[in-house]
Amino acid sequence: ETGVTQSPTHLIKTRGQQVTLRCSSQSGHNTVSWYQQALGQGPQFIFQYYREEENGRGNFPPRFSGLQFPNYSSELNVNALELDDSALYLCASRIQGNYGYTFGSGTRLTVV
Amino acid sequence: DAKTTQPPSMDCAEGRAANLPCNHSTISGNEYVYWYRQIHSQGPQYIIHGLKNNETNEMASLIITEDRKSSTLILPHATLRDTAVYYCIVRASRGGAGGTSYGKLTFGQGTILTVHP
Repeated sequence: ETGVTQSPTHLIKTRGQQVTLRCSSQSGHNTVSWYQQALGQGPQFIFQYYREEENGRGNFPPRFSGLQFPNYSSELNVNALELDDSALYLCASRIQGNYGYTFGSGTRLTVV
Repeated sequence: DAKTTQPPSMDCAEGRAANLPCNHSTISGNEYVYWYRQIHSQGPQYIIHGLKNNETNEMASLIITEDRKSSTLILPHATLRDTAVYYCIVRASRGGAGGTSYGKLTFGQGTILTVHP
């Protein structure tokens, strides 16, 4: 039991479509980050939210966007899907401060 | 780019200690060393972190050199379930230009640890 739940676990989309991935964090975890992990690579930071505001972003285009809600849930939205967007998408959350992140098991997105 | 260097793979016998090295020669004074591991098809799992003192918890020990340019993660009695990719990460504490780097974990390729019977 990681305390961070992601849905769906697997998803297949067509190039050009839009997708929304969801994450439910532990109560009190007011910081959430999203990562993209391509096959055989380490996770790459997409962005981070703190108290519903984006406060950090990696090298990803604007078609990657997110939302964080007061109930400690969050979303990752990707528009105009490309084949290279196929990856494992990970959500991670923590309380503010120098603490370790708790990761979910991820959503495996396949773009065809 | 990751600020750490790790060996790509290591082996360890079950029941023995696994010592995983990490170089972070450009670490700054306000940066912590974090260790995570990822078992196949799961999300990364937090193991331990430290600033300059050695740390120990129920999972592992972290030894940081006095100059903070390298560290070693120690799994005292490795089991088959410890087979995973281990990531050493340097992360800034609060601060940085515009605060946008705060909290970001920069993963490298990690070390594939294989524990064998």
